[in-house]
Amino acid sequence: NAGVTQTPKFQVLKTGQSMTLQCAQDMNHEYMSWYRQDPGMGLRLIHYSVGAGITDQGEVPNGYNVSRSTTEDFPLRLLSAAPSQTSVYFCASSEDRSNQPQHFGDGTRLSIL
Amino acid sequence: GEDVEQSLFLSVREGDSSVINCTYTDSSSTYLYWYKQEPGAGLQLLTYIFSNMDMKQDQRLTVLLNKKDKHLSLRIADTQTGDSAIYFCAESSPPNSGGYQKVTFGTGTKLQVIP
Repeated sequence: NAGVTQTPKFQVLKTGQSMTLQCAQDMNHEYMSWYRQDPGMGLRLIHYSVGAGITDQGEVPNGYNVSRSTTEDFPLRLLSAAPSQTSVYFCASSEDRSNQPQHFGDGTRLSIL
Repeated sequence: GEDVEQSLFLSVREGDSSVINCTYTDSSSTYLYWYKQEPGAGLQLLTYIFSNMDMKQDQRLTVLLNKKDKHLSLRIADTQTGDSAIYFCAESSPPNSGGYQKVTFGTGTKLQVIP
């Protein structure tokens, strides 16, 4: 059982480039979330989804887009990468509205030069 | 808005007890959680406590909640080197209009266990 799978694990981009961070879960969870983890700041919510076709903004959504065309996949798009987006990105899924427990992927470490 | 604070670092000797503390601001929190993050991995839920409970014990883990002071602690008995990790405190808010319960994470406490 794979759980939550994130790809790629590492990525280096130049300022202004775009890319998509992939997230897939095989647990048929309705709720999915994207977080970024920065030193001394914990995890901050970027975007979330409560089901296929439904997405909403978290606390730090600027510069990121998401879509949820299927229950399994929840990709995060960086439209024009900036050095401030250098971070570790985590995708999480949960089964019900209590949003717990959240099952996390292993993260994507992204550096923007 | 919600805020969750933790100390950044804790060092203990193997076999001793570890106590990791957390304070939060949202009095409407429904659940409070402790997550563990090992190097290069995502977060794993360790344990949680409902906001109307004072204490929860789960094997070597004891969670204490002081709702009046908005203080949460995690005690790990007989700490082992395998317990070395970053521990995150988190709280969940009541559901929003879309049914989503936002979870606010603390900054994480890095636990170092000295053999």
